[in-house]
Amino acid sequence: VLTQSPDTLPLSPGERATLSCRASQSLSRTSFAWYQQKPGQAPRLLIYSASTRATGVPDRFSGSGSGADFTLTISSIEPEDFAVYYCLQHSRSPYTFGQGTKLEIK
Amino acid sequence: EVRLVESGGALVQPGGSLRLSCAASGFTFDDYGMHWVRQTPGKGLEWVALVTWDGGDAFYGTSVKGRFTISRDNSNNSLHLQMNSLRGDDSGIYYCVKDNEVAGFDVWGQGILVTVSS
Repeated sequence: VLTQSPDTLPLSPGERATLSCRASQSLSRTSFAWYQQKPGQAPRLLIYSASTRATGVPDRFSGSGSGADFTLTISSIEPEDFAVYYCLQHSRSPYTFGQGTKLEIK
Repeated sequence: EVRLVESGGALVQPGGSLRLSCAASGFTFDDYGMHWVRQTPGKGLEWVALVTWDGGDAFYGTSVKGRFTISRDNSNNSLHLQMNSLRGDDSGIYYCVKDNEVAGFDVWGQGILVTVSS
């Protein structure tokens, strides 16, 4: 089970965002990813292997963590970053997503 | 450009069946495993099923095991999901997703809506 916190994160553009994902058991870093989803769109891969940015992802996005605790950080929020963020473990079936954190405009 | 396009979504009655398809292009289809992932109001994003690159193995989420069957046709670059004994909580958007051993679920289709209701 992956549990994300907080459920909602109200912040302003330019602020720093820190999103958390906690697993019920230790995971391999290579099997952990973060996704961004905007309304009406499919999820988009942001970070894989816990800390590697996917192609085209701005460097204001960074991932960190190991074991059972992982973090997605947005160093300075841009207007287009307001969205829902999900974590995923693809280490072993059944693969599981977190419930999501909604980054909203304060 | 890597592209996944789902089709086959519909309104279906509880207990009914439906077959979803996904047309893949822009990559060597038979090099990769493929998933179905759904998004429902009740459970958020939920992994549904995985089929290996050659169709030789398939894995299922607990809520669909025994009711859904994932398959692929590498000659046509297509992925399928046969859904039987459909229930109301199967309603949602179904995504076709390309697997990447390193990057996880790296490319998603636009999704297709399935509604199970009488």
